[in-house]
Amino acid sequence: AQKITQTQPGMFVQEKEAVTLDCTYDTSDPSYGLFWYKQPSSGEMIFLIYQGSYDQQNATEGRYSLNFQKARKSANLVISASQLGDSAMYFCAMRVSFGNEKLTFGTGTRLTIIP
Amino acid sequence: GAVVSQHPSWVICKSGTSVKIECRSLDFQATTMFWYRQFPKQSLMLMATSNEGSKATYEQGVEKDKFLINHASLTLSTLTVTSAHPEDSSFYICSARDERGGPKTQYFGPGTRLLVL
Repeated sequence: AQKITQTQPGMFVQEKEAVTLDCTYDTSDPSYGLFWYKQPSSGEMIFLIYQGSYDQQNATEGRYSLNFQKARKSANLVISASQLGDSAMYFCAMRVSFGNEKLTFGTGTRLTIIP
Repeated sequence: GAVVSQHPSWVICKSGTSVKIECRSLDFQATTMFWYRQFPKQSLMLMATSNEGSKATYEQGVEKDKFLINHASLTLSTLTVTSAHPEDSSFYICSARDERGGPKTQYFGPGTRLLVL
């Protein structure tokens, strides 16, 4: 069985600073994908970034980057130059075996950006 | 990116009634859709995988007779909460995979908030 662990229930960060949200995972499947989603108070799930287990380079999408350390089974999300609009819940998720599209989610981190 | 809609966005019902929630992929076809439930301040928990033209696959602990799923077309899946009770009050989110794309193309609907009185 696969498991996602997010150990930071909440974080407060000053505007314009960078922030790292932690995510560790556990799976015995060699082929998997890791996702980060943002969920604002409206409830919608916004896809941020994806990392495949065989990807050689860390994924980047604008201000978002994923610090993928395969040996440590960690996939931390880094947000650079944080903005007030970044305040939201952030979920790390994993999918194993691409024939099965189910996502397993972590418990989330509530990020609050302080002006 | 592709769009997934859900209807209704909000529903309040009396205990004992049934509620139907629709999930539509607006600009792509999806043979597989997923239904999640999220309680306040908690994570998303997968309830079932909806497969077009066949029976849904339910996760362990989810009552299939309570949560009826019908995936009658490549763009529509419905979740019916039968004989709803207050403990069924939750945020229900669907997602759909755009199979034309790569592994990251799973799109979420905006969610449906259900309140059972």
